[in-house]
Amino acid sequence: KNEVEQSPQNLTAQEGEFITINCSYSVGISALHWLQQHPGGGIVSLFMLSSGKKKHGRLIATINIQEKHSSLHITASHPRDSAVYICAGPSQGGSEKLVFGKGTKLTVNP
Amino acid sequence: DVKVTQSSRYLVKRTGEKVFLECVQDMDHENMFWYRQDPGLGLRLIYFSYDVKMKEKGDIPEGYSVSREKKERFSLILESASTNQTSMYLCASTSFRGRGEKLFFGSGTQLSVL
Repeated sequence: KNEVEQSPQNLTAQEGEFITINCSYSVGISALHWLQQHPGGGIVSLFMLSSGKKKHGRLIATINIQEKHSSLHITASHPRDSAVYICAGPSQGGSEKLVFGKGTKLTVNP
Repeated sequence: DVKVTQSSRYLVKRTGEKVFLECVQDMDHENMFWYRQDPGLGLRLIYFSYDVKMKEKGDIPEGYSVSREKKERFSLILESASTNQTSMYLCASTSFRGRGEKLFFGSGTQLSVL
């Protein structure tokens, strides 16, 4: 069964800083998800990627399949980016069932 | 936009009660999931359904059952609620077109069992 580890657990940044959140997994996978959860809010899917890099606004996600590692970057961070960021991958290879990291709590101060 | 709707945002029940959590999605998704989210433990899969009347146990199915009589609706049932089932419950859905489709979540139900 896949194990998904995220780092750091908590991250505090000043507005405008470049943010990196890391995710590593133990089993080769078909795709990896990055999710965002605001306090008291539901979970929103940010990216689903199986190779290379994806960009949406100030958010960039990369994945290295060989190294079993993915990163989520936020450029020019803003207080509204404060949230918990979660990565998730299939529990086994191409399984529909996902295993989730424990999340990274990001706080961006003005 | 895909919408996944959970019937209640907050729910308070007594120990031993039978509890129904309902989830409805409007995008004709094949796959539906029930998760619970606890501090320090992250999201854990309770049950998964890949088609009407089809279900698979997740990582923590004990004390729960599910029902999927229609494609759009996936219900989670706590047969006899216990205090250790106090948690945030999240429903999600995704289409099956090969592997790795984007996930859509409901807004969650915070269940307190007293």
